[in-house]
Formats: sequence, C-alpha cells, structure tokens
Amino acid sequence: QQQVKQSPQSLIVQKGGISIINCAYENTAFDYFPWYQQFPGKGPALLIAIRPDVSEKKEGRFTISFNKSAKQFSLHIMDSQPGDSATYFCAASIIGTYKYIFGTGTRLKVLA
Amino acid sequence: DTAVSQTPKYLVTQMGNDKSIKCEQNLGHDTMYWYKQDSKKFLKIMFSYNNKELIINETVPNRFSPKSPDKAHLNLHINSLELGDSAVYFCASSQLDGGYTFGSGTRLTVV
Repeated sequence: QQQVKQSPQSLIVQKGGISIINCAYENTAFDYFPWYQQFPGKGPALLIAIRPDVSEKKEGRFTISFNKSAKQFSLHIMDSQPGDSATYFCAASIIGTYKYIFGTGTRLKVLA
Repeated sequence: DTAVSQTPKYLVTQMGNDKSIKCEQNLGHDTMYWYKQDSKKFLKIMFSYNNKELIINETVPNRFSPKSPDKAHLNLHINSLELGDSAVYFCASSQLDGGYTFGSGTRLTVV
C-alpha cells in the first residue's frame, strides 16, 4: 500500500521528442505528488508537484497529468533537450506525515 | 549561498569505524530529513525532524543516531560501520509538507 511504482526504468528520446514517465500508487490517502530531477553527483531537485484536486499542472515544458480514479500520474517533458538527461523520481506523500514514498527512478537520456 | 549543505561529500572508511555526517540549512525550514540512496538509486527515508523533535525513525538500525542541535542543523552519526552501509546519504529540508530541498549528498564507502 505504501509503494509507488514507476516506469519505465530507462528511456531514450530524440531531441525535440516527448518524454513520458508514469507512476502508480495504491494508497488513496496520498495527497501530494512531486517529481524530482537528479543529475549525477547532485541531490534530487524539485521539478513540479500536484495535488489530487487538479488533473493537470504545467510549468514550462514539464506537465504532470493526474488520474485520481486510476491512481496514476505521469510526467511529460515536451521538446526534450539533451540537458534534460537525468534521473527522474516521482513521489507521493500524505500531507502532515513528513515522509515521501519515492518511485524507483527513471534514467532519461535525450539524444542530440 | 548553498541552501542545504552537507559535509563531507565523500567518506571512505573501514568496517567497524564510527563516522559522522553534518547537515545545515539556511532556508529557515522547520523540518529536516535524512534519506539513503542505494546503488540502484532507490531513495528511502531514514529520519525526519521537525523543530528539533524526532518525528520519523524508519526502522533504521540503532547504529544510526541523528542529532538536531537546532532546527537549522541535523547530523548523522553512524557506529560500527558495515559494508551494507555504503550508499549516498542525502540531507533535505522542507517547510511543513512543501517540496524538499536536498543537499548534494555524502557518498559513504565502507571497505
């Protein structure tokens, strides 16, 4: 119930393409869903986050789509660039519990 | 100015030794965390502190002891290091349940 399943494990996309990473959860009490981007040798950095009262949130080239009934959410990176090559983590938490459950990560490579 | 800074960045030590990792945040956040990232990049919470009070201890062995002298600092002391403790340890902070700000990590290698 506490798991967040993330797929795919790795992804290769051509420059200018769309990168899509999916996450699924079981615990319907989760109410905060952030995405993090991690470059080698660095800590994860918050990219974008969504709460379950909206179905989509967009920030620049990054969009979260949220499907509450299916208990799934996904990250879309439009016009993917080589600089987007990194590991992406989804996460879920229950506000007030001070704990994220992270997905297993997706290693994205964008080819120039 | 680094928002969440942890030292050292690299730590190589022998089995059985005791070591500490320090973390400081200058964001004024109330909550600080330690996460462990294993060789497969999986991130797992170890501890959460809110205003210097321990609020989460995620079944971490007693050899790991966090200490928060004030809400801007959260240190991690590890006794009797084992090979399986080799990992990258991340400190993070947040305000309430807002997004985390992570440090750049401490890569611990136990030989």
